[in-house]
Amino acid sequence: GAGVSQSPRYKVAKRGQDVALRCDPISGHVSLFWYQQALGQGPEFLTYFQNEAQLDKSGLPSDRFFAERPEGSVSTLKIQRTQQEDSAVYLCASSSGTEAFFGQGTRLTVV
Amino acid sequence: GDSVTQMEGPVTLSEEAFLTINCTYTATGYPSLFWYVQYPGEGLQLLLKATKADDKGSNKGFEATYRKETTSFHLEKGSVQVSDSAVYFCALKRSNFGNEKLTFGTGTRLTIIP
Repeated sequence: GAGVSQSPRYKVAKRGQDVALRCDPISGHVSLFWYQQALGQGPEFLTYFQNEAQLDKSGLPSDRFFAERPEGSVSTLKIQRTQQEDSAVYLCASSSGTEAFFGQGTRLTVV
Repeated sequence: GDSVTQMEGPVTLSEEAFLTINCTYTATGYPSLFWYVQYPGEGLQLLLKATKADDKGSNKGFEATYRKETTSFHLEKGSVQVSDSAVYFCALKRSNFGNEKLTFGTGTRLTIIP
């Protein structure tokens, strides 16, 4: 596609519910990143993939957060048993090594 | 650890005014430095970058110079337009092969009034 695509754009979840956020990177981009952006803050790194390998997950805030990229293309960020503090915009970015291109994000609201 | 400190906003200027948004960083080694912009309803876009000391990044009339001695990368524009209204993020990337993660500042919201 023309850019990084994320779905859904908006998600409202009840506390305790599991959610899955999808990212379609730019075709051919080896690197894929997930960031979390709280209201009024800059994006914070969550995790990084190179192809299907998850090379860095140091930013995942708890074991309720899990990300995968099984075929080295589409990635899914899963949050189990959502809490109110998980409310944020989740950004996906892909890169071929020179510049990171960001999707529009998924705004997650936990009620 | 790495960190980026950005001038707090919001910043409101009149059209054609001079703009400076301050950014300083803390990092080991020699990071690359970036300014990203987020227009209303859109995703983050790279505005400009600099990869080594004394480099100047420029795009769309914006400029920033990588100053290692002051660990700064201030964003400037000589004459702002209404269309420049957006949120601006300063960021760094350490030059580690295999991980290109970005560390962002908190962002500065810029509003230009006609």
